[in-house]
Amino acid sequence: AQTVTQSQPEMSVQEAETVTLSCTYDTSENNYYLFWYKQPPSRQMILVIRQEAYKQQNATENRFSVNFQKAAKSFSLKISDSQLGDTAMYFCAFMKTQGGSEKLVFGKGTKLTVNP
Amino acid sequence: DSGVTQTPKHLITATGQRVTLRCSPRSGDLSVYWYQQSLDQGLQFLIQYYNGEERAKGNILERFSAQQFPDLHSELNLSSLELGDSALYFCASSVSPTNGQPQHFGDGTRLSIL
Repeated sequence: AQTVTQSQPEMSVQEAETVTLSCTYDTSENNYYLFWYKQPPSRQMILVIRQEAYKQQNATENRFSVNFQKAAKSFSLKISDSQLGDTAMYFCAFMKTQGGSEKLVFGKGTKLTVNP
Repeated sequence: DSGVTQTPKHLITATGQRVTLRCSPRSGDLSVYWYQQSLDQGLQFLIQYYNGEERAKGNILERFSAQQFPDLHSELNLSSLELGDSALYFCASSVSPTNGQPQHFGDGTRLSIL
């Protein structure tokens, strides 16, 4: 079974600075997808970024980018120019392609606080 | 707004009771997923439907069941409720369950068992 580990339960960063959240996963699959989701205090689950394992190029979405290291099974999220609205729980998630069933396996999350 | 609608937002009930949670997927999405978020277990996959058919089961208890209707909305039924069933239940939807399509989540139903 796949597992996802987020080793940083909590992190904090000053507004406008850069922060990196770590995620590692364990799988024997070769084709899969990785995601970061954000859960603010409002409890919504918001998709931040998606990475396809067969693509070497790291995904970016505005201030959010990933460092995907397939051999190391590492998938970190970098948030640049942090804003107060980035304060949230961040979940790393793994999805394997499985012939019509693609469930998400989540890590335990990292609570990020952006300080003014 | 993700386009996924879940009702009710909050539900308070007692042990032994039965409740139904409802989910309407985004327009055009055929696949629906249910997840449970609790303090001790984190976010866990429960069950998936695609175009009315069950596709995958996760850590779903036998007391729980779900279905997806012809109009693609889905319901999660929880019966013989126990204190440990208190959690946030999410529904998510995607266009199809292939090619790593992103899953878009509803706002969740907060279930509290007294």
